[in-house]
Order: sequence, then C-alpha cells, then structure tokens
Amino acid sequence: DSGVTQTPKHLITATGQRVTLRCSPRSGDLSVYWYQQSLDQGLQFLIQYYNGEERAKGNILERFSAQQFPDLHSELNLSSLELGDSALYFCASSGGLAGVSGEQYFGPGTRLTVT
Amino acid sequence: AQSVSQHNHHVILSEAASLELGCNYSYGGTVNLFWYVQYPGQHLQLLLKYFSGDPLVKGIKGFEAEFIKSKFSFNLRKPSVQWSDTAEYFCAVKGGFKTIFGAGTRLFVKA
Repeated sequence: DSGVTQTPKHLITATGQRVTLRCSPRSGDLSVYWYQQSLDQGLQFLIQYYNGEERAKGNILERFSAQQFPDLHSELNLSSLELGDSALYFCASSGGLAGVSGEQYFGPGTRLTVT
Repeated sequence: AQSVSQHNHHVILSEAASLELGCNYSYGGTVNLFWYVQYPGQHLQLLLKYFSGDPLVKGIKGFEAEFIKSKFSFNLRKPSVQWSDTAEYFCAVKGGFKTIFGAGTRLFVKA
C-alpha cells in the first residue's frame, strides 16, 4: 500500500458525459501527478500540482482539467468524454517540488470505461 | 528536451535466464533515475533509484541497475528471473522539476 488513495476504483459512463476522479496523496506529500495509461498510448503524464499550484503540464487535453485543494487532495475532471478516453488513470504523489529524490508513489488507479 | 528511451517493448524469457532492460535518456543536467515495476492489474511501484554515489544500485527482489553517465544509460539487470517477475517495467528520469517515464518494457517469464 503506497498511501495514495484514489476514488472511484471503476467508473463506467457514456460518451459526452463528465466525470471527476479524486486522489488523496500520501500524508505530507505536496506534489500530485496525474497519468493516463492505455494499451495503445502507454503511460502518459497529464499534469502536476505542487501545494495547490499547477507546476507541469504534459499531454493533457483541453477537455481535461485538474486542481489541488488546500487539504492537498486533487481532482481530475474529464468532460465531453469520448470512447478513446477509456483508460486507467493513476495519481501519484511525492515529497515536494523537487523532493529529496523525486520518487513518486502511485495510487491504485481509476479504471474509466466510456461506452 | 528531456526524453527517455526503452529499447525493448516486449521481452520473453525462461525462468532462471538473465535479464537486462535498456534505458537511455537525454538531459543536459543532473538527473535522478528510477525503475518502476507494474505487476499485472496493479499500480506502479518503485524498484530502485539512483541519486548520486555508487553507480551500481541495488533494489528490491534482486534487481540492480547501473548508471553509466557517459552513455546516458541506466540499464536494469537481474541475474536469474522468476515467473513472478512477469510485469511491465518503466524507466524514469527526473531532471529539474520534471520526471519523464519511458514507454515501458513488458516482460513475460515462462515457467
């Protein structure tokens, strides 16, 4: 158990809908990262937050957005969902902007299925 | 721009065979290097990491990796694989604030 929690575990929704994925980082970790993992695209970095502020952006679509709240939990919002958005969404956390080493602790993931 | 390349996308080995997975990166400054493992149906877990010092790093489950600065490489090795090592392996490089993951190598170990 990494100490990172994600809810829900599974999500099934229809095209065009909007969903929110939630992540609670390990106690004391200030950085939260979001990743999308699919069979064809592999592991794709989406976005990083540090202490409430956006710090780095990866291959995140404009239909997706995220935020980190004062209690450090984070939410990833996916809207106007398409079939291709079906994937495993992982959240990870680490100990700081740079951290001692930058190693990331991954949550169990949310499996999103868009029908 | 920072990048990470894992040479093998799929590797099939028999139990007791030796393993070496390649990882090369490009980045101009100081890096921290990682190997993560993802067992079937699970999340990524850290196998080992390198910050500085001895370039030969030992991790969990008998894995090790060697940082060769002149070759920008951080290859993962295990002398004798087991069926339970079947998983996907990701190399990651942290330069500055950004961590980049490689595309992953799927290892299948035949019993």
